[in-house]
Amino acid sequence: LAKTTQPISMDSYEGQEVNITCSHNNIATNDYITWYQQFPSQGPRFIIQGYKTKVTNEVASLFIPADRKSSTLSLPRVSLSDTAVYYCLGEGSGNTGKLIFGQGTTLQVKP
Amino acid sequence: SQTIHQWPATLVQPVGSPLSLECTVEGTSNPNLYWYRQAAGRGLQLLFYSVGIGQISSEVPQNLSASRPQDRQFILSSKKLLLSDSGFYLCAWREPHGGTDTQYFGPGTRLTVL
Repeated sequence: LAKTTQPISMDSYEGQEVNITCSHNNIATNDYITWYQQFPSQGPRFIIQGYKTKVTNEVASLFIPADRKSSTLSLPRVSLSDTAVYYCLGEGSGNTGKLIFGQGTTLQVKP
Repeated sequence: SQTIHQWPATLVQPVGSPLSLECTVEGTSNPNLYWYRQAAGRGLQLLFYSVGIGQISSEVPQNLSASRPQDRQFILSSKKLLLSDSGFYLCAWREPHGGTDTQYFGPGTRLTVL
């Protein structure tokens, strides 16, 4: 399982684009990069997953360079409701599906 | 569609009392199941996972145990709670090998041991 490193916290303002970068230097060939969002007193929620290049869905975009040693979660035009903890994980496709959560990035969106 | 349930939502227990938290999943078969604990202001710690009925793997030595008596039921137990067992307990499921890698989490149980 890939060990990931991401900033502990970030501040932003409503309407801005937020980019959270995660380092995963030792990511395995079969690992996908997945981001989860967690609000207080709730379980984490899947946001986006990718293997390489760019993935976009209705919530976010995920940019993964060719060497896959890092990834950037991009949240367009954040609102106050995007205040949460964001976790970056390397997910293998093995049978156990074990995940190792770090401390994540606490994003605080201000009005 | 698949849903995951956990109960109770909150629990206050005295030190030394037993514990039983239940998690059930609907709408899928033979899921991988997971128990996590999250201390205040911290990330999630994987406690147990199961790839099938009766198959339990422990990640952290502790006074907790897990069981999977049915395909879509996962139970977290303790015979005697410690103060350090307080936390937010989350159950999660994933499709078995060959499916997507994403885990889906339940609503959690907030446990306070006094």
